[in-house]
Amino acid sequence: DIQMTQSPSSLSASVGDRVTITCRASQNINTYLNWYQQRPGKAPDLLIYGASSLRSGVPSRFSGSGSGTDFTLTISSLQPEDFATYYCQQSYTTPRTFGQGTKVEIK
Amino acid sequence: EVQLVESGGGLVEPGGSLRLSCAVSGLSFTEAWMSWVRQAPGKGLEWVGRIKSKLGGGTVDYAESLKGRFTISRDDSKKTLFLQMISLKSEDTAVYYCSWIRRNGPPDNYYYYMDAWGKGTTVTVSS
Repeated sequence: DIQMTQSPSSLSASVGDRVTITCRASQNINTYLNWYQQRPGKAPDLLIYGASSLRSGVPSRFSGSGSGTDFTLTISSLQPEDFATYYCQQSYTTPRTFGQGTKVEIK
Repeated sequence: EVQLVESGGGLVEPGGSLRLSCAVSGLSFTEAWMSWVRQAPGKGLEWVGRIKSKLGGGTVDYAESLKGRFTISRDDSKKTLFLQMISLKSEDTAVYYCSWIRRNGPPDNYYYYMDAWGKGTTVTVSS
């Protein structure tokens, strides 16, 4: 199985901050990488697919980059509704493994 | 609007069985690839498995650790996805989500992603 490792596991940030979350795959997955946001008590929501394609309706402050084994999710200016847990997931092969999650908390 | 509604969760004793359902509307279910994802209390997301459309071959793939105990199936006439779970263990306690997999891009280079999710159904395995 492909292992997905996110860092950090959690971070504290303030509204307006720029936030970067990284995701590393245990082998080359090209750009077959998705990012999901999960707010407490809610189902996950897709943010980005194909490493950098923004899902329709997702605010442009979210962006994704990377290919191969190293990927980044960036929130350019953190908003109150962005405090949540973020997961990367590879879609290169089955099983479609997730990273362990990064919890973004209010400083 | 795509809607997915899970049902069938509840309290079950270790060793017991349970069948979850996911009713789907707002999309062509016969063409849909679907998956199950679970989340243990306070933990991250775990991919359970995926079923392709019949046109896509109907193949089912599972997380290795769940093979033999979990079975994913579908009833296209009822637009419903199922997850049959047997020999349940305490570590199967989780919220179980069904999701719709969207395919995007040229056929030889599809991106696959879970574009719609249900609210989840809770399974508790305890005596």
